[in-house]
Amino acid sequence: NAGVTQTPKFQVLKTGQSMTLQCAQDMNHEYMSWYRQDPGMGLRLIHYSVGAGITDQGEVPNGYNVSRSTTEDFPLRLLSAAPSQTSVYFCASSYEGGFDQPQHFGDGTRLSIL
Amino acid sequence: AQRVTQPEKLLSVFKGAPVELKCNYSYSGSPELFWYVQYSRQRLQLLLRHISRESIKGFTADLNKGETSFHLKKPFAQEEDSAMYYCALSGGNTGFQKLVFGTGTRLLVSP
Repeated sequence: NAGVTQTPKFQVLKTGQSMTLQCAQDMNHEYMSWYRQDPGMGLRLIHYSVGAGITDQGEVPNGYNVSRSTTEDFPLRLLSAAPSQTSVYFCASSYEGGFDQPQHFGDGTRLSIL
Repeated sequence: AQRVTQPEKLLSVFKGAPVELKCNYSYSGSPELFWYVQYSRQRLQLLLRHISRESIKGFTADLNKGETSFHLKKPFAQEEDSAMYYCALSGGNTGFQKLVFGTGTRLLVSP
């Protein structure tokens, strides 16, 4: 099993560009989520999904969109990249039960916005 | 509001010394507490959770509701314990809730 797979691993964007960070899991997990990690701060929840077709906002959702058309995939879209979105992004998944269950993380995507 | 505080950014100890990584939380209900660890060049992964009352790689953590703490302890540190450690909290009795992370403590175990 690959677990949680994130692509790309690194990306540099110019301000105003849009892009999609991909996340896929092969564990048939219902719950998926996106976090960002900034220097000196803990991981902060951006968006999450409790199953296909259902998404909700986390702590820092502004500037990001998500969708969940399949159980396996949970892409994160940056609509118009801003330097403040320079961060490391982590995707995670878990079994039913939500955040009281162990989260399985991907390797992360390091994103730089110039 | 949910909050997790890890007061130490860096904890440096010698091999064989005891280790205690501090974690304090703020939450009004009954939280679920976790310790996650990230070793060099590896993914962030679950180390242990309080509900399991388990010892993983010699680490234990006890939930102290009176002091709102969930400190991670190991009696004899090993060099391979060097990593970034994050305390995390989730809570709520009505379904899906946020998972809140602390800022992390880097543990460095020297020979």
